[in-house]
Amino acid sequence: DIQMTQSPSSLSASVGDRVTITCQASQDISYFLNWYQQKPGKAPRLLIYDASNLETGVPSRFSGSGSGTDFSFTINSLQPEDFATYYCQQYDDLPPTFFTFGPGTKVDVK
Amino acid sequence: EVQLVESGGGLVQPGRSLRLSCVASEFTFYDYAMHWVRQTPDKGLEWVSGISSNSDNIHYADSVKGRFTISRDNAKNALYLEMDSLRPEDTALYYCVKDNSYPYYFDLWGQGTQVTVSS
Repeated sequence: DIQMTQSPSSLSASVGDRVTITCQASQDISYFLNWYQQKPGKAPRLLIYDASNLETGVPSRFSGSGSGTDFSFTINSLQPEDFATYYCQQYDDLPPTFFTFGPGTKVDVK
Repeated sequence: EVQLVESGGGLVQPGRSLRLSCVASEFTFYDYAMHWVRQTPDKGLEWVSGISSNSDNIHYADSVKGRFTISRDNAKNALYLEMDSLRPEDTALYYCVKDNSYPYYFDLWGQGTQVTVSS
């Protein structure tokens, strides 16, 4: 099975900061990587799909990049509503037969 | 309103069974693959099972294979998860999730239903 690691597991930041989270797959997953945001008591929300595509309606301060085994997710100019936990998610094939989530990165107020 | 509403969670003893249901509203349910994803504070998000739009393709996580059965009734806009031989480690919040079905991502989640396995 493909394992996903995320770093850091948590970070503290201030409004206006640039935040970058990395996600690494245990084997080549091409571009099969999505990013979600989750706030306490809420279901996850898709932000980025297929490594670098911004979901409709998601602010442009969010971005993603990478392919193969190494991916990154960036929030430019962190806003108050961005304090949340972020998860990467991989899928294995077209169409997928298996999905794995990363352990998450909690972004809180410095 | 486009939404997914889960039901059927609760407290159950180890070894017993439970059936989760999810009803979809305001989208063409029969066009999309669907999944169950669970979440615990310790283990985070875990994909449990997925089913294609016409039920031809079904997949399970290794942790539930042989114990859980996913199914759907497109006439009723409903998704189900039959959970047998439940274990304490199955305790989690279970989400019903819609798959965009190419590109592949989860674009609609229910509010979740809590399953607690304990004696």
